[in-house]
This record gives sequence, structure tokens and C-alpha cells, in this order.
Amino acid sequence: AQSVAQPEDQVNVAEGNPLTVKCTYSVSGNPYLFWYVQYPNRGLQFLLKYITGDNLVKGSYGFEAEFNKSQTSFHLKKPSALVSDSALYFCAVRALRSGNTPLVFGKGTRLSVIA
Amino acid sequence: NAGVTQTPKFQVLKTGQSMTLQCAQDMNHNSMYWYRQDPGMGLRLIYYSASEGTTDKGEVPNGYNVSRLNKREFSLRLESAAPSQTSVYFCASSPGIQYFGAGTRLSVL
Repeated sequence: AQSVAQPEDQVNVAEGNPLTVKCTYSVSGNPYLFWYVQYPNRGLQFLLKYITGDNLVKGSYGFEAEFNKSQTSFHLKKPSALVSDSALYFCAVRALRSGNTPLVFGKGTRLSVIA
Repeated sequence: NAGVTQTPKFQVLKTGQSMTLQCAQDMNHNSMYWYRQDPGMGLRLIYYSASEGTTDKGEVPNGYNVSRLNKREFSLRLESAAPSQTSVYFCASSPGIQYFGAGTRLSVL
């Protein structure tokens, strides 16, 4: 069975500081990993994905994520946080070879960037 | 560039009433999904359709039915709404990356 854990319900960071939102996963075989962002009263927006290749994946709005196979983690990072980054962030996974089976989402982490 | 369109955006129902949530995508995707989002619970899959003509249960299918009307449209029906179905419902479609609609906020009184 596939699962995702986002251990922090809330992350607070000062504007201009680096941010990290944590995600660990469990899947049979190689993972297909995603980060999504949700702004208030909106649907989820795709940020970035990891399939294979470089362990550091770059995505939208200056976000990046680091894949670590030994720790089964896929943490979201940004070197310098903006107030506008405040939102709800979801990590998701499915097995790479599972065709178009649905993604399994974590419970979400609320990021608050303070000016 | 409509993407995934959900209707209605808001709905209030009384317990026992029925309604259908509509979802349409214009990206020619084979797979479509219905999720519900509740505080502290993340997104939970209700039903999905891997391709036109097929549907499968997700994590929380009880109290819901779905219809994949054609490749574009995937509807979610509540036959007899209950207060526990108060939630925000999202439809998504996918060729790999899932693209989400803006959601339907449903309250069941």
C-alpha cells in the first residue's frame, strides 16, 4: 500500500528565510512524487514532480524538492520565503509502474510566512 | 484554457436531499477523480475513472455514486445527503500529473 506522511501540520517562517516542508513516503517499487499547493478557496495547483534522474527537482515559483531514496523523503524547499508563499502544501505519491492509479496525498502542511 | 470545470461552486442541502456534482475537462485526459477535503484529513479519494466506461471505488465511496458520461464528464451523485458529507469536493483529471478543479463547497444541514 502507498502512503505519505507530512509530519508537521504547520510551519512558520520569517520572510526571506529558507523554508522546508517535510514529506516521507512508502510505496512498492520506485516512486512518482509530487508537491501541490492550495491557496484559500482554490483547487490544488501542481508545483513539481520527481520521476527519475537528479535528486534535486526544480518547480514553479522558486520551489525545489530533494528526493532521498534511503530516507524515503521528498522535502519541499525554497531558499528565501515570501509572504505570498503562505498556503497549504500537499505531498503525493504513487508507484511509478502503476499506470494511472490515483495519487495518495498527505494530510497537508500549512505554511505561514511572516513579514 | 478552461481545464477542469466543476459546478456548482456552492450548495446547501437538507438531510435526505439528493444532488449531482458535475465535472468536465477539456484536456482529453483518460483518467478522472473525485476527492473530498476535510480539515486535518487531507484529500481522500471517493471514486475514480481510469478511462471512459470504467469506474472504481476509492477510500471513502459510501454514500456516493459516479457516472463517467463520456471522456470529458465525470459526475458525482449524493442520493440521500447526510451531514457527514459536508465537505469541499474536488474533481481532477490526469495523464500523470493531476489537474484540479476549483472545488464545490457543500453543506448538508
